Amino acid sequence: GENVEQHPSTLSVQEGDSAVIKCTYSDSASNYFPWYKQELGKRPQLIIDIRSNVGEKKDQRIAVTLNKTAKHFSLHITETQPEDSAVYFCAAQYSNDYKLSFGAGTTVTVRA
Amino acid sequence: DAEITQSPRHKITETGRQVTLACHQTWNHNNMFWYRQDLGHGLRLIHYSYGVQDTNKGEVSDGYSVSRSNTEDLPLTLESAASSQTSVYFCASSPGPGPYEQYFGPGTRLTVT
Repeated sequence: GENVEQHPSTLSVQEGDSAVIKCTYSDSASNYFPWYKQELGKRPQLIIDIRSNVGEKKDQRIAVTLNKTAKHFSLHITETQPEDSAVYFCAAQYSNDYKLSFGAGTTVTVRA
Repeated sequence: DAEITQSPRHKITETGRQVTLACHQTWNHNNMFWYRQDLGHGLRLIHYSYGVQDTNKGEVSDGYSVSRSNTEDLPLTLESAASSQTSVYFCASSPGPGPYEQYFGPGTRLTVT
């Protein structure tokens, strides 16, 4: 099955700085990589996703990059704001399946 | 509006009791999933279903069961609750086939004493 590793487990950044979270996956046939944000006490919600035929995708201050050769993908948050403080999960879809395998999560704290 | 709901939102039960957590979605999604969330482990898949009468085991299925008698519901049953099953449980759904976003329910916090 798919194995997803996520680093770092915690990340503290100054407001206005950038945050980067990295994930690696094991199944070279995986083709869908979503990122979820979970605020304290809330449900995970999709913030951005990327498919294997795309190398980079941006949505305002958030971007995701994918390197299929190295089997890793990253989330980039620019100009961080206090509301970006949350737990972020990366995930990879199993090949030929609809299941997702999630990373262990990164707790991001944005310092004012 | 279409949505996904879970009940109860909080549950305290005793070791050895059978517990059923409900999940209901109104999007008519074929795919439904149950996860548990524990500190340091992220979201781990318990069981999943790709349609009526279809159920499959996930990576942490021991002690849990599901049934899918209609499109809208996927109840999760803990046959004999154990303290190790104290966790937050999330249900999710997605349209099929193909790689799509999974939409999560609000979660159920289960405590087994």
